[in-house]
Amino acid sequence: GQQVMQIPQYQHVQEGEDFTTYCNSSTTLSNIQWYKQRPGGHPVFLIQLVKSGEVKKQKRLTFQFGEAKKNSSLHITATQTTDVGTYFCAGRASGTYKYIFGTGTRLKVLA
Amino acid sequence: EAGVTQFPSHSVIEKGQTVTLRCDPISGHDNLYWYRRVMGKEIKFLLHFVKESKQDESGMPNNRFLAERTGGTYSTLKVQPAELEDSGVYFCASSQAMAGNTEAFFGQGTRLTVV
Repeated sequence: GQQVMQIPQYQHVQEGEDFTTYCNSSTTLSNIQWYKQRPGGHPVFLIQLVKSGEVKKQKRLTFQFGEAKKNSSLHITATQTTDVGTYFCAGRASGTYKYIFGTGTRLKVLA
Repeated sequence: EAGVTQFPSHSVIEKGQTVTLRCDPISGHDNLYWYRRVMGKEIKFLLHFVKESKQDESGMPNNRFLAERTGGTYSTLKVQPAELEDSGVYFCASSQAMAGNTEAFFGQGTRLTVV
């Protein structure tokens, strides 16, 4: 079945450093979404990517969708303590309506 | 507008007992999803309703889990009898009509502990 892996599993950075998490799907995706879950919270939608090679920016966050639509990345520039949490990608394969979540990357930012 | 609400927020039950989780999606959202996160691992898909119909229940672990969405509004997920490995956080999410490219709104989750 479809699998979505994320690396790294954990990342500790100093405040001000950059951070990147990578998402890889075993199958070609129709679209991919990114979510952030704060400790003790629930996943909150960040963004959706649909087109091959698409790049979207939200302030310090940059999201990319691979040309083959099987991988994606989230890059945070100059991390802040408010960025802490677990970042999940969620991919949807063609012909389905369910999203398969990645394993998540837990980010800690040290002040 | 109210978001996705889940009840209860926490539940502690003994092995062998029955628990029913409830999810109220955002009004007007046809799609309703159940997910589970066990021990800080990935968020696993359980099933997907479109209105009152089960569109995809391929993620349901076994026949101890029963999900319903009568009338296409709120949904319940019953675990009977509960086992230790059922512990985790159960999330419900909803999204608008039958378009795959819509964001899902998640509820706060129900933390289930089976002892």
